Amino acid sequence: QVQLVQSGAEVKKPGASVKVSCKASGYTFLDYHINWVRQAPGQGLEWMGWINPNGGGTIHAEKFQGRVTMTRDTSISTVYMELSRLRSNDTAMYFCARLNGFYDTSRYFSINYMDVWGEGTTVTVSS
Amino acid sequence: DIQMTQSPSSLSASVGDRVTITCRTSQSISSYLNWYQQKPGKAPKLLIYAASSLQSGVPSRFGGSGFGTEFTLTISSLQPEDFATYYCQQTYNTPWTFGQGTKVEI
Repeated sequence: QVQLVQSGAEVKKPGASVKVSCKASGYTFLDYHINWVRQAPGQGLEWMGWINPNGGGTIHAEKFQGRVTMTRDTSISTVYMELSRLRSNDTAMYFCARLNGFYDTSRYFSINYMDVWGEGTTVTVSS
Repeated sequence: DIQMTQSPSSLSASVGDRVTITCRTSQSISSYLNWYQQKPGKAPKLLIYAASSLQSGVPSRFGGSGFGTEFTLTISSLQPEDFATYYCQQTYNTPWTFGQGTKVEI
């Protein structure tokens, strides 16, 4: 079945980096972008960006500029999200999610939605 | 960034109730609006995409409507498994943004 399996929980000190992995299975890895979404404890969802496994192109939210790196290893159908210069407010659950959609020919616009999600990886930043 | 405002932030309901959640956006997003359900400790689950299209496998008691800046998620007859937090999300402009969530409680 289609699934995304993420790496395990991480505990990091402020200023360190963390790298979370997301392994895809059950579908053609190169055909779908993978998004990263995070959720601080008791808070809502925050979109971080996505990576296109076919070519490695990325787009990310401005607030993570210079701190987030998204990469992929096509040989093992895995994408990675690395967040550097960690601070306490980066403590959160990090989810990967497959981007599905289609092109709306009536409006010349792409319909996008996240239809398959990983189970989440807890990242705790604490001194 | 496009701001998303959901209302109410929480609501109490009973099994069998009709529930409506509203999502308003700070600018028009056509119909590029998705709805997700999240239960505690779990990943979000896609319910509705493109404002009104039901995701495969999602019960037909869930419905979405709206266009432009105002959208609604309706649960026609609340079931025990529907007690959760619901989020809207726009995919019109990056950064894609979510509403703050609506918690549906007993």
